Amino acid sequence: GAVVSQHPSWVICKSGTSVKIECRSLDFQATTMFWYRQFPKQSLMLMATSNEGSKATYEQGVEKDKFLINHASLTLSTLTVTSAHPEDSSFYICSVRGRGSYNSPLHFGNGTRLTVT
Amino acid sequence: GESVGLHLPTLSVQEGDNSIINCAYSNSASDYFIWYKQESGKGPQFIIDIRSNMDKRQGQRVTVLLNKTVKHLSLQIAATQPGDSAVYFCAENMREVISNFGNEKLTFGTGTRLTIIP
Repeated sequence: GAVVSQHPSWVICKSGTSVKIECRSLDFQATTMFWYRQFPKQSLMLMATSNEGSKATYEQGVEKDKFLINHASLTLSTLTVTSAHPEDSSFYICSVRGRGSYNSPLHFGNGTRLTVT
Repeated sequence: GESVGLHLPTLSVQEGDNSIINCAYSNSASDYFIWYKQESGKGPQFIIDIRSNMDKRQGQRVTVLLNKTVKHLSLQIAATQPGDSAVYFCAENMREVISNFGNEKLTFGTGTRLTIIP
């Protein structure tokens, strides 16, 4: 069964609005969650890393004020795309890692297809 | 920054044949490597992994080979089936110390689209 649940699976929004994407760890406590973005026919690019109860660490070039990440519990992280623009249209994927599970595979959600019109 | 790359962006293989997907990585500090399969519209699915203290690991119909000398990783799929058609990514894992957390950063390669011809 699925280890990571991501919601919604797709969303269409108007330019200037904000969209929240949820990532839930179903089987274990996710001390660390990762948010990736994938443009068509490209690879996954890490946007940010979030540890439960602390601020997210953003990759270079990712605007922290635009992509708000909240990792309030060990099973839930949210990514909010604020004031979305058409160039934010992409496939957003989260992944989770449990406590003490370094050198074990990340489990990925099934992604959220965001289309900004 | 350093990155993981792939030699072949597309690969077509006859059903039943074996396939080999290659990957070059550049970060010598990476100590853990993973192959993922991604089908259209879905998240990556774990296939097989290997730690840097190994050079070969086998799973069901899949084998990963690691050559640290030349920083090369490969995925071999035996007796390919139509369901193997997908994009395959290699990923390298490196531990970083960020704000007192021993975080790992998983960096993905560019991907290879494997098409199995019936």
